[in-house]
Amino acid sequence: GALVYQYPRRTICKSGTSMRMECQAVGFQATSVAWYRQSPQKTFELIALSTVNSAIKYEQNFTQEKFPISHPNLSFSSMTVLNAYLEDRGLYLCGARDRISGNTLYFGEGSRLIVV
Amino acid sequence: GDSVTQTEGLVTLTEGLPVMLNCTYQTIYSNPFLFWYVQHLNESPRLLLKSFTDNKRTEHQGFHATLHKSSSSFHLQKSSAQLSDSALYYCALSGRYNQGKLIFGQGTKLSIKP
Repeated sequence: GALVYQYPRRTICKSGTSMRMECQAVGFQATSVAWYRQSPQKTFELIALSTVNSAIKYEQNFTQEKFPISHPNLSFSSMTVLNAYLEDRGLYLCGARDRISGNTLYFGEGSRLIVV
Repeated sequence: GDSVTQTEGLVTLTEGLPVMLNCTYQTIYSNPFLFWYVQHLNESPRLLLKSFTDNKRTEHQGFHATLHKSSSSFHLQKSSAQLSDSALYYCALSGRYNQGKLIFGQGTKLSIKP
């Protein structure tokens, strides 16, 4: 079945430093990867949608300069949170779309960012 | 733009009673995809149900939901709640095929008591 591995699971970083997280799709070809952030209040924000062979599309309030994403192939994507501050804390989720099942997003375990 | 509205906040039920979590949506697309995700404590969201077929019941792990385009609804139901059903439940919408972009509702926390 479709599996998505995401790491690290948890990072504590000092204010102003950066955190890189990685997302690996196993058992399927991830034609698109969506990066979300779940706030401490448990709501979801879409950061960006990355589709192979297309430009990465960032949502309003999120920029490539702050959240650079790499999506070099159908099984791997990474995102970095640059210059993290308190407002960046939360659970970052990678959702990979399976070409066969259409619109279904399969989520990784999430990378929790704690900023101190 | 697209949006999803769920039963707000916390729903507390006694074990064995039926569960119903409301979900309504707004979209300009005539063929939306609707999803329910469940998130247990300290875990990531996991797909529970999905549908894009009008008036067809979809079931998984004791839960069921039917997409009703006439009322823009996709309510989640279960006949008998179990303690292990305690979790956050998110209804999500994909309004455009081949985008992989989900619009999530605000989530409903379901708490089942003995």
